[in-house]
Amino acid sequence: AQTVTQSQPEMSVQEAETVTLSCTYDTSESNYYLFWYKQPPSRQMILVIRQEAYKQQNATENRFSVNFQKAAKSFSLKISDSQLGDTAMYFCAFISLAGGTSYGKLTFGQGTILTVHP
Amino acid sequence: DGGITQSPKYLFRKEGQNVTLSCEQNLNHDAMYWYRQDPGQGLRLIYYSQIVNDFQKGDIAEGYSVSREKKESFPLTVTSAQKNPTAFYLCASSPSLRSNTGELFFGEGSRLTVL
Repeated sequence: AQTVTQSQPEMSVQEAETVTLSCTYDTSESNYYLFWYKQPPSRQMILVIRQEAYKQQNATENRFSVNFQKAAKSFSLKISDSQLGDTAMYFCAFISLAGGTSYGKLTFGQGTILTVHP
Repeated sequence: DGGITQSPKYLFRKEGQNVTLSCEQNLNHDAMYWYRQDPGQGLRLIYYSQIVNDFQKGDIAEGYSVSREKKESFPLTVTSAQKNPTAFYLCASSPSLRSNTGELFFGEGSRLTVL
């Protein structure tokens, strides 16, 4: 079974600065996707960024980028130029595309609460 | 606007009572999911459904039941057999399970408190 671990329960950053959230995962699969989801206070969870395991290039979406280290099974999220609206809980997630009972189902980490201070 | 609607947003229940959480989507998605969110544990999958009249147990299905009589609707019943039902419940959908690339569309959640 796959596991996803986020070792930082809470993080804080000053507005306009950069912050990195950590995530590690454990799997024996070679074909999978990794994700960062954002859950703002009292609002819907949304997808922030997605990384396909077979791609060596790190994904980027505007101010959000990842550092994907496949051999180390590490998948960190970097938020540049942090904004007050980035305050949220962030979840790292994994999905296997290799078939079997876990096919098509996301496994989530414990979450990291990020607070952006003015 | 297309999306997922969960109701009620807040619900209080006495011990021993069953309660049903509603989830409706107008995204025309085949697959729907129920997750439970607890502090420090992330999201855990309760049940999922690939298509109408079909559903499968997730990782923590004990004490819960679901139905999928319509494509748009996937209600979750928290039964009195659920030992620790106080939690935040999230409903989600995706176009299909087999072509799921991991992007789920979530509702705003329902917070259940057992008194």
